Amino acid sequence: ETGVTQTPRHLVMGMTNKKSLKCEQHLGHNAMYWYKQSAKKPLELMFVYNFKEQTENNSVPSRFSPECPNSSHLFLHLHTLQPEDSALYLCASSQDASGALNTGELFFGEGSRLTVL
Amino acid sequence: DQQVKQNSPSLSVQEGRISILNCDYTNSMFDYFLWYKKYPAEGPTFLISISSIKDKNEDGRFTVFLNKSAKHLSLHIVPSQPGDSAVYFCAASVVNNFNKFYFGSGTKLNVKP
Repeated sequence: ETGVTQTPRHLVMGMTNKKSLKCEQHLGHNAMYWYKQSAKKPLELMFVYNFKEQTENNSVPSRFSPECPNSSHLFLHLHTLQPEDSALYLCASSQDASGALNTGELFFGEGSRLTVL
Repeated sequence: DQQVKQNSPSLSVQEGRISILNCDYTNSMFDYFLWYKKYPAEGPTFLISISSIKDKNEDGRFTVFLNKSAKHLSLHIVPSQPGDSAVYFCAASVVNNFNKFYFGSGTKLNVKP
């Protein structure tokens, strides 16, 4: 089993749809992240969860709603998105989001390619 | 405002030669830097890191150099191999706040056989 698994790998949705992206990590990590990668742009941090608590919301519009029911699972609920939200959404995990022993290494999933029509 | 910049979107190098990927940052508070490698249809994978207390870190064919005064880091790959062809991202953070990594926009490296 790969360390961080994302489903679905590809998603096409209309602007009025509601869909969810799912992320699962099998690494025993305590921190999980959502990043957005648009073409030719840097990876943008969206949300951080540390021990199931949201510790970072990087000014993300409310049409993106994260959910972290436990340290192994992370969801991104999508509602009334815009075409400019089309991007690759990457989930990542790390040992935890702080701490002296943390190397800072993020383990990424393969991403969910979202297209909003 | 982009705090980490990779000004070369692409780089082409002959197999066996050196690849040098560059990264600049603006925030002097950054004290920890990482390089990630990304193949198509895969997520980024960690390659090498460096703390600001060092100016060089080496791991096999990969060496990262940090110039704090210039706020510049570079990744050297020697010798380059066709399997190194990928997009390389640099990232920066503050050690006490791994909540937030700032990434560059990536450099696509093509190593020609």
